[in-house]
Amino acid sequence: SQTIHQWPATLVQPVGSPLSLECTVEGTSNPNLYWYRQAAGRGLQLLFYSVGIGQISSEVPQNLSASRPQDRQFILSSKKLLLSDSGFYLCAWSFRTGGNYGYTFGSGTRLTVV
Amino acid sequence: TQLLEQSPQFLSIQEGENLTVYCNSSSVFSSLQWYRQEPGEGPVLLVTVVTGGEVKKLKRLTFQFGDARKDSSLHITAAQPGDTGLYLCAGGASNTGKLIFGQGTTLQVKP
Repeated sequence: SQTIHQWPATLVQPVGSPLSLECTVEGTSNPNLYWYRQAAGRGLQLLFYSVGIGQISSEVPQNLSASRPQDRQFILSSKKLLLSDSGFYLCAWSFRTGGNYGYTFGSGTRLTVV
Repeated sequence: TQLLEQSPQFLSIQEGENLTVYCNSSSVFSSLQWYRQEPGEGPVLLVTVVTGGEVKKLKRLTFQFGDARKDSSLHITAAQPGDTGLYLCAGGASNTGKLIFGQGTTLQVKP
């Protein structure tokens, strides 16, 4: 079965510090991978998506970057965090089985920049 | 820019009541999905609808995709406290796999 792992679950970082969030997928190959950010109790904003190793598309200009060094690994980074980078970050992969299509999300990382 | 608008944003009801959540857009989507999210966790897919006019049922939940594939609704019959959560609709373009999410409906069902 396919699983998605995301860590850490929570993170408190000072302004100006670097960031690295990791997401790995198991049980599938060549998945489409996504990073979303969610404001408290609200919808999700797509930050980056990747259709393959080294292929990254950015959806919004921001202080963050993404990389995909391996087929099933997706990393979200920042060189210097801003207060506005606080939020709930979710990694996801898209699946299609027969007529069913959707996303499987990781359990998320709560980032607080102080 | 494709947008999805959900209504209502907040809903607080008593156990046993019925409710409907709406998801509307001016854009056509190839598919529309509904997710449920609990605090501190990632959203979990409930259903995907792909055909205009399609209706899908999941126990007490009924999902409908509009004929023009621009809108959808989620109806819950006899709501229970376990239905409490954030409900998100998301529209997709199957060629890219990208999803556009609505702002969500927070549902609270009181026992």
